[in-house]
Amino acid sequence: ETGVTQTPRHLVMGMTNKKSLKCEQHLGHNAMYWYKQSAKKPLELMFVYNFKEQTENNSVPSRFSPECPNSSHLFLHLHTLQPEDSALYLCASSQDFTNYGYTFGSGTRLTVV
Amino acid sequence: QQQVKQSPQSLIVQKGGISIINCAYENTAFDYFPWYQQFPGKGPALLIAIRPDVSEKKEGRFTISFNKSAKQFSLHIMDSQPGDSATYFCAASGFGATNKLIFGTGTLLAVQP
Repeated sequence: ETGVTQTPRHLVMGMTNKKSLKCEQHLGHNAMYWYKQSAKKPLELMFVYNFKEQTENNSVPSRFSPECPNSSHLFLHLHTLQPEDSALYLCASSQDFTNYGYTFGSGTRLTVV
Repeated sequence: QQQVKQSPQSLIVQKGGISIINCAYENTAFDYFPWYQQFPGKGPALLIAIRPDVSEKKEGRFTISFNKSAKQFSLHIMDSQPGDSATYFCAASGFGATNKLIFGTGTLLAVQP
C-alpha cells in the first residue's frame, strides 16, 4: 500500500468518549502533520512532527493529544470533545518539515454528538 | 500577515470555458505557492506550484500566474471539463517561521456539461 492512509474514515463519538485517529504513510517521509478542515474555513494546521519530534502545536486544545511513535505513524487521541470539534481531520506528510510537497490522506470525518 | 485570501468562494463554468481563481497574500517571506485540488471524500492533492522567480507556470490545462509586486497569484484552468469539478485551495509558505503551509478558504468549482 502506498501514500497516506487514515483510519477510520468516519467516526461518531459522544462528548465523554475517548477515541484515536490513525495515520500511516508509506512514502519514506520524515515530517507528518495534522490538519482540521471545517466548512468554509481554511485548513487549520494543528500539529507538526519532524523526525518523530513535535515541532509545532498550533494552540490546539488539550482535548486533542498527538502521538508519533515513528516517522511512519501518527495518532490523534481525542477525549471530551465538543460538538464544534466536528470536522474532517486530515493527515499529511512531507520529506521533512522544510519540504513543501505535502501528501494528504483522505481524512477522518468526525462527528461529535 | 499569515493569511491567504482566496476568491471566489464558488464558481460555475461551462464546459470548455476558462476557470479563474484568485489568491492574495501579505507576508513577503512567502516563497512557495501551491494549488491543491480536492474531490469529495478525498484529501487535497497537489496540482501545480510556483516560486516567485517566475511569473507563470503551465502544466497541461492548468496555469499559475504570479504577480509579485501585487502579492497575488491565480489559477487558470483552460478548456474546463466536468471532471475538473472539485474544491481548489491556494496556499503559501516560506523558509523559517513561515515554513508551514497556509491555506486559503477554498473555491468550489462546478463545470457544467
